[in-house]
Amino acid sequence: GAGVSQSPSNKVTEKGKDVELRCDPISGHTALYWYRQRLGQGLEFLIYFQGNSAPDKSGLPSDRFSAERTGESVSTLTIQRTQQEDSAVYLCASSRTQDRELFFGEGSRLTVL
Amino acid sequence: AQSVSQHNHHVILSEAASLELGCNYSYGGTVNLFWYVQYPGQHLQLLLKYFSGDPLVKGIKGFEAEFIKSKFSFNLRKPSVQWSDTAEYFCAVNPRNQGGKLIFGQGTELSVKP
Repeated sequence: GAGVSQSPSNKVTEKGKDVELRCDPISGHTALYWYRQRLGQGLEFLIYFQGNSAPDKSGLPSDRFSAERTGESVSTLTIQRTQQEDSAVYLCASSRTQDRELFFGEGSRLTVL
Repeated sequence: AQSVSQHNHHVILSEAASLELGCNYSYGGTVNLFWYVQYPGQHLQLLLKYFSGDPLVKGIKGFEAEFIKSKFSFNLRKPSVQWSDTAEYFCAVNPRNQGGKLIFGQGTELSVKP
């Protein structure tokens, strides 16, 4: 596609439920990133995929968070047993390896009640 | 742990005023440096980047940034701001020995009064 696509754009869930967020990167982009942005705060790095290499998971805040990516295509971020503090906008970005310029999606706004 | 600090949380300027937004990082190795901007209602987009060479980098819309290695800084500047520069600005650092991992600062909200 022309840009990074994320779905859903908005998700409201109850505490304790699992949620899945999806990201479609720009075709041909080998790198894919997930960030979390809480209200009024900066971008918090969660995870980074580069081609077929092992992902850098160093930013995942707890074992309730996981992400997968098949090859150089779609990625899903899963949050299990959601908590109210998980409420945030989850941003996905992709890039070509060499120039590192990130192209961001519109984000998925998660609200945990 | 590496971190990126943007000292100004919210900056308010009048049109034609000069702008400087501070960015400091804590990583001591070789880094790539970026400024991203998020205009109201839009998603983040690249403003400028530094990989190597001339430490004074020119970006879009008249913005520039200077890399000062000794100060671990990459400050963003613009000689004369416009109302349309109202946005949130994020500094980001890619430590080169960490692959493509990109660490963002907290962001600085810029409001330009017409």
